Amino acid sequence: ETGVTQTPRHLVMGMTNKKSLKCEQHLGHNAMYWYKQSAKKPLELMFVYNFKEQTENNSVPSRFSPECPNSSHLFLHLHTLQPEDSALYLCASSQGDRGPVEPLHFGNGTRLTVT
Amino acid sequence: EDQVTQSPEALRLQEGESSSLNCSYTVSGLRGLFWYRQDPGKGPEFLFTLYSAGEEKEKERLKATLTKKESFLHITAPKPEDSATYLCAVQAYNNNDMRFGAGTRLTVKP
Repeated sequence: ETGVTQTPRHLVMGMTNKKSLKCEQHLGHNAMYWYKQSAKKPLELMFVYNFKEQTENNSVPSRFSPECPNSSHLFLHLHTLQPEDSALYLCASSQGDRGPVEPLHFGNGTRLTVT
Repeated sequence: EDQVTQSPEALRLQEGESSSLNCSYTVSGLRGLFWYRQDPGKGPEFLFTLYSAGEEKEKERLKATLTKKESFLHITAPKPEDSATYLCAVQAYNNNDMRFGAGTRLTVKP
């Protein structure tokens, strides 16, 4: 399998549930990202991991908890979410910031609905 | 603060009707400007990177250009399969974040 794979594609959860989103990249990249995409809004960067170390945390509420066990896998653990957290959550990867600027490679996202 | 504004928000074209999408940006030290295409239910797909004013890149019916304040994505003789949302993003030298615009939703009617 190639590229960036996200599972599940769709997730419906109640406000008291705990769930996790999974991302796997097969591109040999060293940096992985979580973005949130809401309707008619720009993509919002949530977390960045570079060589397995978290380098960005853009004031994301603690109900979102990232985990990066290795350079190929990234998780987003969710608990006690709010309805306004419903969105498309996108995972992306890149070579990392130790080289020339280069594009992000995105997965197809997890469509999250919080009821 | 870095800002990216895309216009128009939505654009409807007839097949073969050429047009341009605009991306205006404010950034302290541009490291790169990126164009992506996003189809419904999918993640953004990389199209181009532009690094300096005056640079142009082409791919099939698409051509991206860059000035010091904005970028244009020119679509020549579009086809229905070009229908998608086109996203612009900038990366500055002073941070790791790629700042995105809200996108232009393009619809090409046969």
